[in-house]
Amino acid sequence: EVQLVESGGGLVQPGGSLRLSCAASGFSFSSYSMNWVRQAPGKGLEWVSYIRSSSSTIGYADSVKGRFTISRDNAKTSLFLQMNSLRAEDTAVYYCAGDNRYAFDIWGQGTMVTVSS
Amino acid sequence: QSALTQPPSASGSPGQSVTISCTGTSIDVGRYNYVSWYQQHPGKAPKLMIYEVSKRPSGVPDRFSGSKSGNTASLTVSGLQAEDEADYYCSSYVDTNNWVFGGGTKLTVL
Repeated sequence: EVQLVESGGGLVQPGGSLRLSCAASGFSFSSYSMNWVRQAPGKGLEWVSYIRSSSSTIGYADSVKGRFTISRDNAKTSLFLQMNSLRAEDTAVYYCAGDNRYAFDIWGQGTMVTVSS
Repeated sequence: QSALTQPPSASGSPGQSVTISCTGTSIDVGRYNYVSWYQQHPGKAPKLMIYEVSKRPSGVPDRFSGSKSGNTASLTVSGLQAEDEADYYCSSYVDTNNWVFGGGTKLTVL
């Protein structure tokens, strides 16, 4: 079964840090480009970050550039998102998503991040 | 990275067809044939319904179809069924490994 399972979400104070993880199984993770997509409560989807299968290319949305860092470990079939200098507007459900042919065809169930004092 | 423009809501009766538009610019929807559509039921993860403007992944009913003209892409749901009631989001590749989503459309089956 193709599966992505996110973890690491929680409550953090403004200015704090959090590291999200996404464990992949059931597909060739090392061949897949991966992304993080978030959804603020009651709002739409927002693409956050991208990493190529080999980690050779990385991209970030302007809203998180300089604060978030995406990485992956193909040997452990895992994707990560290090989030620093967190703000209230970063509060959202964070999904990891695999992309194939420029579309997100595999999604996890999401992990909630709440930034609040 | 401005969001693509979608109508906030759309509706139709069972059996009818409904079309949801997604308007971008010449640097996203207008430049690339990498428009995709996602269905999201409340409390669930999004599901890919259409990729590369008009292609359907395996398992997606052929009642769902996509098209594009200029800077505007469209998703058409034919033969509406109750289970089609959900939020729908479009997305486009922008460039230099960036993507943009639309604001979402809530589809109501009357």
